Amino acid sequence: DGGITQSPKYLFRKEGQNVTLSCEQNLNHDAMYWYRQDPGQGLRLIYYSQIVNDFQKGDIAEGYSVSREKKESFPLTVTSAQKNPTAFYLCASSVEENQPQHFGDGTRLSIL
Amino acid sequence: AQSVTQPDIHITVSEGASLELRCNYSYGATPYLFWYVQSPGQGLQLLLKYFSGDTLVQGIKGFEAEFKRSQSSFNLRKPSVHWSDAAEYFCVATWAAGNKLTFGGGTRVLVKP
Repeated sequence: DGGITQSPKYLFRKEGQNVTLSCEQNLNHDAMYWYRQDPGQGLRLIYYSQIVNDFQKGDIAEGYSVSREKKESFPLTVTSAQKNPTAFYLCASSVEENQPQHFGDGTRLSIL
Repeated sequence: AQSVTQPDIHITVSEGASLELRCNYSYGATPYLFWYVQSPGQGLQLLLKYFSGDTLVQGIKGFEAEFKRSQSSFNLRKPSVHWSDAAEYFCVATWAAGNKLTFGGGTRVLVKP
């Protein structure tokens, strides 16, 4: 079955450490997105990519970095510059702009 | 500025009763509109979408939504809720190229037996 796979489901980070969240899709979608969700809040866009080797900052990109070397993959790195990284991170993809986005099951990141 | 408002943070409904979740959007142009559902610790699942045409749209799991341009609203309804409908529901809009979504704050639905 086609879908979006995020790994790991739970991730712990020590202070000052960078961590990378994986997002893989086999839907053949061009566009991919990373969101952050905090308790009781909606989703906020971190980065998005419409094609391979291209990506744009979303609303809260500071302290995060991404790459899009392959159509199927859009990893997110949470750097030590992100001072409040504890959150639920969701990856999504869509076939083209203004079409519904399909979401992965998320990664919960916590600070040790 | 573009925004989506879900006025109800929590709603409690009895199993078998009807459910209506409210959603309003700002900004003059009509956006593309979606409703998503999120179970605890899970991703978001698309319930239905409105792009144009018939203002009453049918979705999965027995949900429907009605677009009302005059009220800038896109309310979600279900005639008879099941215990499995307990979840958080997000109204989402997009106006911009690149499919940047604007999320409402979400409504958490609790279902009483």
